[in-house]
Amino acid sequence: GAVVSQHPSWVICKSGTSVKIECRSLDFQATTMFWYRQFPKQSLMLMATSNEGSKATYEQGVEKDKFLINHASLTLSTLTVTSAHPEDSSFYICSLLPRIDSQETQYFGPGTRLLVL
Amino acid sequence: QKEVEQDPGPLSVPEGAIVSLNCTYSNSAFQYFMWYRQYSRKGPELLMYTYSSGNKEDGRFTAQVDKSSKYISLFIRDSQPSDSATYLCAISVAAGNKLTFGGGTRVLVKP
Repeated sequence: GAVVSQHPSWVICKSGTSVKIECRSLDFQATTMFWYRQFPKQSLMLMATSNEGSKATYEQGVEKDKFLINHASLTLSTLTVTSAHPEDSSFYICSLLPRIDSQETQYFGPGTRLLVL
Repeated sequence: QKEVEQDPGPLSVPEGAIVSLNCTYSNSAFQYFMWYRQYSRKGPELLMYTYSSGNKEDGRFTAQVDKSSKYISLFIRDSQPSDSATYLCAISVAAGNKLTFGGGTRVLVKP
């Protein structure tokens, strides 16, 4: 399967600051990347779908101006949490859809744990 | 009603036992079914992927799909302590589409 990395793996920041999380595909090009958020003891909730070269599609209830997504290339997508607040503390996970004929399954990154003080 | 229901557990079994996990879903448009394993503080890892009713086997893992009942299952044979994790079912309406996850079942295999 595809290898996906995320950086940083964890981050602690002060309330009001912005945090950028990178998601990279190490061995496949990915036309589509997904960003999820997972609160403790809860399942993954899709935040947005990111397509290379076009604007991201956000799920209902997710503020696009707060969670900025940039899919600059076929191997890199970034999520920026702007003016982070304690309620944004969560586990952020990206996944990608490899750019191959059978684009059927998503491969997940290891996640980024964000703690906003 | 959630689109995908999954018992949160925890499910505790002795080493060597069969672990039985399941999910139910409400939307008959769902066509693709996946099981992921997630260890604490890690990203989900794909275990099984099916798109038709019936059984699919891979090593100690067997996935079952019954579209008529909107019911999917995952069985883990000869369970090991290293199988202790949260297991998530995930469903989509088409290949490559966004996934809808169940809440996850926490499994604990005791040595």
